[in-house]
Amino acid sequence: SQKIEQNSEALNIQEGKTATLTCNYTNYSPAYLQWYRQDPGRGPVFLLLIRENEKEKRKERLKVTFDTTLKQSLFHITASQPADSATYLCALEGGGRRALTFGSGTRLQVQP
Amino acid sequence: SAVISQKPSRDICQRGTSLTIQCQVDSQVTMMFWYRQQPGQSLTLIATANQGSEATYESGFVIDKFPISRPNLTFSTLTVSNMSPEDSSIYLCSVEAAGSYNEQFFGPGTRLTVL
Repeated sequence: SQKIEQNSEALNIQEGKTATLTCNYTNYSPAYLQWYRQDPGRGPVFLLLIRENEKEKRKERLKVTFDTTLKQSLFHITASQPADSATYLCALEGGGRRALTFGSGTRLQVQP
Repeated sequence: SAVISQKPSRDICQRGTSLTIQCQVDSQVTMMFWYRQQPGQSLTLIATANQGSEATYESGFVIDKFPISRPNLTFSTLTVSNMSPEDSSIYLCSVEAAGSYNEQFFGPGTRLTVL
């Protein structure tokens, strides 16, 4: 069956460092992969989308890579700030439908 | 982008009752979805709300339990019927905005507690 895995353990890093979050998937051949941010008590907010033919995508301090051979995406936040503390979700379209399937998310805590 | 509002933002309900959650979008959208997020868990798709026809439900979700209406391109409702404590969750609607590449925008969610 299709599966999306994110590190369930919280990631704690120091302010100014680069945070790297991992998303692995199995039994999928997605055309694109998305990353969302979710703060407590709020709905997810779209951050970045990367297509299967793109190796890397950047937006300000964010960078996403997509390796369809490894079936993995890495999400980087450079020069991290305490305001970046949140849960980050990866999501894939699949199964011929437009809705998304989400990973379990990784909680990032940036210490000042 | 699209701005989505949900009502109510939260509710506490008794077992056996039903609650209808409303989702309003500030622009016409093709695709609307309903998700559930149980405590500490990720989002699980309940159904795709289809305008003018029956919703498309995911495995494990049925119309009798989660009836959905979508009378137009900006509004949808999800009803949680005959509730039990296991239905305690956050319910979120999302939309795929016109011109987007499957990027979704989410409402703030409805936090439901069933006693």
